[in-house]
Amino acid sequence: QKEVEQNSGPLSVPEGAIASLNCTYSDRGSQSFFWYRQYSGKSPELIMFIYSNGDKEDGRFTAQLNKASQYVSLLIRDSQPSDSATYLCAVPQRKAGTALIFGKGTTLSVSS
Amino acid sequence: DAGVIQSPRHEVTEMGQEVTLRCKPISGHDYLFWYRQTMMRGLELLIYFNNNVPIDDSGMPEDRFSAKMPNASFSTLKIQPSEPRDSAVYFCASSLGGEAFFGQGTRLTVV
Repeated sequence: QKEVEQNSGPLSVPEGAIASLNCTYSDRGSQSFFWYRQYSGKSPELIMFIYSNGDKEDGRFTAQLNKASQYVSLLIRDSQPSDSATYLCAVPQRKAGTALIFGKGTTLSVSS
Repeated sequence: DAGVIQSPRHEVTEMGQEVTLRCKPISGHDYLFWYRQTMMRGLELLIYFNNNVPIDDSGMPEDRFSAKMPNASFSTLKIQPSEPRDSAVYFCASSLGGEAFFGQGTRLTVV
């Protein structure tokens, strides 16, 4: 089982809608979770991280963590065409806990 | 800070040639990571350093790949000899142990 799994998409939503991106992880001991955004041809950049069960909000972005079910999600409210990108979920490496292991990412397309 | 700096941005080389990718991490960061990204395999961790010491190189695909970090401000990833299947985008990233900051990447094409 891969450490981090994501649906590759593409996920298509209309402008103004809520986009929901999901990620599951295999290590029950994982303590921190990161969401990165990667525009085509660019490098990944951090959007949010979450450590505790529940929700964490930052502007239009909300990260949700459910450790019992081993999934973490990212909600994007009022989606904009500029949100069209690939979203990568990452968790610290199981054996060392410092290096981030990334899912393959979900491609989001927001149509105007 | 200028962020993580990688060079070259693009590299086209012939099969069998040696390729050296370079990285300057963010000043003060004590972790440095090398990742490779392809459509098929996504973003894969190759190797990482802590305080210039290699910690985990289990992601290095073959002995043709090697990485060094001679000092806190410079690292190299070398492929010798290169093969077409090495074509990918190679990212260097640095951190203080949490969020990783990525360089702009080197797009390597081996023909």
